[in-house]
Amino acid sequence: LAKTTQPISMDSYEGQEVNITCSHNNIATNDYITWYQQFPSQGPRFIIQGYKTKVTNEVASLFIPADRKSSTLSLPRVSLSDTAVYYCLVGDGNTNAGKSTFGDGTTLTVKP
Amino acid sequence: ETGVTQSPTHLIKTRGQQVTLRCSSQSGHNTVSWYQQALGQGPQFIFQYYREEENGRGNFPPRFSGLQFPNYSSELNVNALELDDSALYLCASSEGGRRETQYFGPGTRLLVL
Repeated sequence: LAKTTQPISMDSYEGQEVNITCSHNNIATNDYITWYQQFPSQGPRFIIQGYKTKVTNEVASLFIPADRKSSTLSLPRVSLSDTAVYYCLVGDGNTNAGKSTFGDGTTLTVKP
Repeated sequence: ETGVTQSPTHLIKTRGQQVTLRCSSQSGHNTVSWYQQALGQGPQFIFQYYREEENGRGNFPPRFSGLQFPNYSSELNVNALELDDSALYLCASSEGGRRETQYFGPGTRLLVL
């Protein structure tokens, strides 16, 4: 499974756009990139997933360059409730999803 | 559609004891993965069950074992508990063979004294 590297922490203010970048230099051809959000004492929650280029849903966008060696999670207009740990995962979703390698994630703190 | 549920929510045990944690997967999901999350760290993969068979294991000793039942619910058993086993244990379900999208339960907080 591909190893990922993320910043340990980030600070932002309410209403700003936040971009969290994840490096995954040894991503494999079959690997997808998935981001999760986790609040204290809760299980991680799926945010977004992509394979290449750009994916957007109601909560976030995911930008993946052509070489796929990194990805950027973009959270538009964050609020205090977006304070959480964000994990980037890279794995082969083709056979039996779930054997994920979580790093230590990025702790995002949104300030008023 | 019900989400992933886990029981109990909290548990206190002493060293050397055994513990069983339970997980009900989301409706329609045949794959369950278990994770251990120590304070301040990301979840660490323990093992996965797919259609009642173990399908991959992380770097955990044999005293961590599991089961998956025909209804795809699952158990995690830990024997000979050690202090370092204190953690949040997370269960996640997914549709086997699909993209890496997992749905996590709220976890069981285990404290070993």
